[in-house]
Amino acid sequence: QKEVEQDPGPLSVPEGAIVSLNCTYSNSAFQYFMWYRQYSRKGPELLMYTYSSGNKEDGRFTAQVDKSSKYISLFIRDSQPSDSATYLCAMTGGFKTIFGAGTRLFVKA
Amino acid sequence: NAGVMQNPRHLVRRRGQEARLRCSPMKGHSHVYWYRQLPEEGLKFMVYLQKENIIDESGMPKERFSAEFPKEGPSILRIQQVVRGDSAAYFCASSLVGDMNTEAFFGQGTRLTVV
Repeated sequence: QKEVEQDPGPLSVPEGAIVSLNCTYSNSAFQYFMWYRQYSRKGPELLMYTYSSGNKEDGRFTAQVDKSSKYISLFIRDSQPSDSATYLCAMTGGFKTIFGAGTRLFVKA
Repeated sequence: NAGVMQNPRHLVRRRGQEARLRCSPMKGHSHVYWYRQLPEEGLKFMVYLQKENIIDESGMPKERFSAEFPKEGPSILRIQQVVRGDSAAYFCASSLVGDMNTEAFFGQGTRLTVV
């Protein structure tokens, strides 16, 4: 079993839709949960991070962590074509960060 | 303030040659991490270095791969006697403190192709 499972997609939605991206994990020692966005041929950029369980909102993005279920989510409201990218979940209990495989998202204008 | 700089962006090597990948961290950052990304796969941790020290190399193959982060100059990931399976994108990230939870920044990557 992989430490982090993430559906690779692709996920295709119309502009303005609400997007839900998810990951599950197996290691209960993880404390920080992050979401990275990676455009084609570019390096990942950190979107947001959450410590332990709970929600965090930043503009159109909301991250949720449910440690009891070992499940994390990223919601994107009012999705835009510029949101088209690969979204990587990541988590860590220390300095070694474990990444999901990434979900490819396409937002159609 | 320049971001994390990696060079070259693209590198083509024949089987058996050596590949040298360079990473200059953000100004003031003394922690560097190297990751490998294969097509359709996530980033796989390779090694974590602090200036002049290897902190964790548990993700690095025991043979042919080595990494350094000297007191002066960029961090270097070296792959000796490359094979086709080494073809991948190699990313480095740097951080101010020794964790990747918050202020870790990635470079644009080096895409290695072994022919």
